[in-house]
Amino acid sequence: EVQLLESGGRLVRPGESLRISCAASGFTFSVNAMVWVRQAPGKGLEWLSRIGGSGDTAHYSDSVRGRFVVSRDNFRNRLYLQMNNLRVEDTALYYCAKPKLGFWGRGTLVTVAS
Amino acid sequence: SYELTQPPSVSVSPGETARITCSGDALPKRNAYWFQQKSGQAPVLVISEDKKRPSGIPERFSGSSSGTVATLTITGAQAEDEADYYCFSTDITTTYGAFGGGTKLTVL
Repeated sequence: EVQLLESGGRLVRPGESLRISCAASGFTFSVNAMVWVRQAPGKGLEWLSRIGGSGDTAHYSDSVRGRFVVSRDNFRNRLYLQMNNLRVEDTALYYCAKPKLGFWGRGTLVTVAS
Repeated sequence: SYELTQPPSVSVSPGETARITCSGDALPKRNAYWFQQKSGQAPVLVISEDKKRPSGIPERFSGSSSGTVATLTITGAQAEDEADYYCFSTDITTTYGAFGGGTKLTVL
């Protein structure tokens, strides 16, 4: 059974940094590209970033490029999102996912507030 | 970045056919995927690669794509189908992904 379990979300202040993680199991993680998606309260889904299976390619949405960095550890089957210079508008539930196969975690909540 | 456009809301009576559209410039070359999301839950894939129905998804869900518009059709909508629906696809280079803004389906 495929499982994606996000963790690390918490309350932070504007301008601070935070790293969230996603533990993957039930599929061959190292050969699969992975995606981070977020959903602000009461809003729609927003694609944030994609990283290739080997970790050598990464792409970002305009809203987070230059502030967020995606990475992965294929030995530990983990996906990461380093979020820097956080803003109030980054408040959201963050999902790791492989949308085209229908794999989603339950999300981890990041709240940015002073 | 890449953009996909959906209507904000669709409303049908029980038993009627609901159609939700998604428009994007790259859709003639790239597959569309459709997700159902109910309140407080993670999205669920209901249509992949324009028209494939994953295991466990009722037959009343179908998908199609023509030109720059992909369509999710729910034939004989039921009250349990009330949810937000999102399309997903990638730009022509497959570099960037995008979700449509979401469509709230009301069945009443």
